[in-house]
Amino acid sequence: GNSVTQMEGPVTLSEEAFLTINCTYTATGYPSLFWYVQYPGEGLQLLLKATKADDKGSNKGFEATYRKETTSFHLEKGSVQVSDSAVYFCALIRTQGGSEKLVFGKGMKLTVNP
Amino acid sequence: KAGVTQTPRYLIKTRGQQVTLSCSPISGHRSVSWYQQTPGQGLQFLFEYFSETQRNKGNFPGRFSGRQFSNSRSEMNVSTLELGDSALYLCASRSDGRTEAFFGQGTRLTVV
Repeated sequence: GNSVTQMEGPVTLSEEAFLTINCTYTATGYPSLFWYVQYPGEGLQLLLKATKADDKGSNKGFEATYRKETTSFHLEKGSVQVSDSAVYFCALIRTQGGSEKLVFGKGMKLTVNP
Repeated sequence: KAGVTQTPRYLIKTRGQQVTLSCSPISGHRSVSWYQQTPGQGLQFLFEYFSETQRNKGNFPGRFSGRQFSNSRSEMNVSTLELGDSALYLCASRSDGRTEAFFGQGTRLTVV
């Protein structure tokens, strides 16, 4: 079946450090891939997406490239800020009988210290 | 454009009671999905509605049900509440032909 595996953490970084969160997926066909972010006490916010192989999604300094050959969608940011402290979820969208549902990884909690 | 609105934000209920949660999607979005988030199980899909019809259902007992109205607003109902139903319930809406889903802030349900 379709599944997403991601680093779970928690991870603590200093401000301006480099961030990588690994995400790999198992899926039939070519799903669209997403990164969502959840700030404390909030719902999920769409961070970025990619819909086909070699697509690069980017937003707010974060980037992720859809790698079909390695079935990966790793999230990167060159210089994290305290405001990036949140939980990050990798997800794919699975189509079933005309319906689409998101399949999420377990999430990774990131804390950035000043 | 207003985002996805969920009400109420917080609920405390007693075991055995039932509860109804509400979700208003982004204007023009006809697809509404519900997810349960718990520390142990993570984010799990409950069901999806489109044009007042349930299109897909996750692996949850029949105590969990939902519906969608003609204005695309959706409600989910949980009957005979159990302690394990304590969770953050998230609603997401999607535009026709688009893959990205937009989430509300969630309803935090605590069952005591």
